[in-house]
Amino acid sequence: EAGVAQSPRYKIIEKRQSVAFWCNPISGHATLYWYQQILGQGPKLLIQFQNNGVVDDSQLPKDRFSAERLKGVDSTLKIQPAKLEDSAVYLCASEGYATDTQYFGPGTRLTVL
Amino acid sequence: DAKTTQPPSMDCAEGRAANLPCNHSTISGNEYVYWYRQIHSQGPQYIIHGLKNNETNEMASLIITEDRKSSTLILPHATLRDTAVYYCIVRATQGGSEKLVFGKGTKLTVNP
Repeated sequence: EAGVAQSPRYKIIEKRQSVAFWCNPISGHATLYWYQQILGQGPKLLIQFQNNGVVDDSQLPKDRFSAERLKGVDSTLKIQPAKLEDSAVYLCASEGYATDTQYFGPGTRLTVL
Repeated sequence: DAKTTQPPSMDCAEGRAANLPCNHSTISGNEYVYWYRQIHSQGPQYIIHGLKNNETNEMASLIITEDRKSSTLILPHATLRDTAVYYCIVRATQGGSEKLVFGKGTKLTVNP
């Protein structure tokens, strides 16, 4: 069974630029999560989708971050414009109805200069 | 905020058992105890979870106290590849679809 795929693995941008990350969840998983992990800390939820609807985006900085999950499969997370404090690893996870377990992708490491 | 407390770091000799403790004194009756680990530069990896009974799988064993206020993850024969940050998380599953609230975890170093 293929795992959660993310791209790119690494991205370096300058502040005020925009960036987008892509996630392909495990086939058949209805729930998709985006987490942000700052160096030295545990991951923190940014947004949760159930199929293509948003369940929880209370921690998403909506003035600069946006996310979508068209057709309830792949998802993209965008930052526009980026700030220095957005430097982090962005993790995507998915979960199926029968598993009660979230499976994570490898993450995208973003560096904002 | 995370509902668990873990020691920030632990060391273990290769081939020995690694016992990682976790306190979750405010756990609710419908909340499970989950363990994940994160090896450097990788995403978190699911290890095991349980409600009240002890659980074992190919990776580890989970021992939950009778009052459910604490638990221990046991790696029976630690290898160098088990060096990672281990996260203990309490989560109500209710059929899934609930976020994981991570603390800072325990940095386990397995020494040769």
